[in-house]
Amino acid sequence: DTEVTQTPKHLVMGMTNKKSLKCEQHMGHRAMYWYKQKAKKPPELMFVYSYEKLSINESVPSRFSPECPNSSLLNLHLHALQPEDSALYLCASSQDQVIQPQHFGDGTRLSIL
Amino acid sequence: KNEVEQSPQNLTAQEGEFITINCSYSVGISALHWLQQHPGGGIVSLFMLSSGKKKHGRLIATINIQEKHSSLHITASHPRDSAVYICAVSATNKLIFGTGTLLAVQP
Repeated sequence: DTEVTQTPKHLVMGMTNKKSLKCEQHMGHRAMYWYKQKAKKPPELMFVYSYEKLSINESVPSRFSPECPNSSLLNLHLHALQPEDSALYLCASSQDQVIQPQHFGDGTRLSIL
Repeated sequence: KNEVEQSPQNLTAQEGEFITINCSYSVGISALHWLQQHPGGGIVSLFMLSSGKKKHGRLIATINIQEKHSSLHITASHPRDSAVYICAVSATNKLIFGTGTLLAVQP
């Protein structure tokens, strides 16, 4: 069991659908991260929230929209995705953006039809 | 050239063998991390190092800051150690990942 919980574990969606990925942690961490991981590759950073404010956007396409409603929750809203967006999406948290280590969730495996 | 390089990329060992995975980096760092990822699964942080050596069970991690090099050792390897081991460095407030080492320990 991980201390970072991601839902759903699997998601299949069409290119015209709108869906959201959710991430929750109750460790009091103030930095939260979204990563995208393709098969046999390391994770790629997408977004970082620090104290509920977006601090890093790694030039991610606008069809991915992050949201941090409070310090425990992180969402990733998906709209009009492309087949190449199929991947494992990992959420992580850390005490703050400077102090690591990061705690990772188990990920959401996303398939775009 | 990647900022974080790992070797080997793939490693097959027999149960009980001593295993070493190496990591070299070319950027200034505040810490180095060793992570473990099982197939299809999430990532577990094994160690965070800024100097010296750390040990947890059968795992040992070392870092040489002057040489910008770290090693992860597994003693008495077991099939359940089969996973991808990823070296990552903390730099500019984010992690920079190596490409990972796929370890298979055969019984």
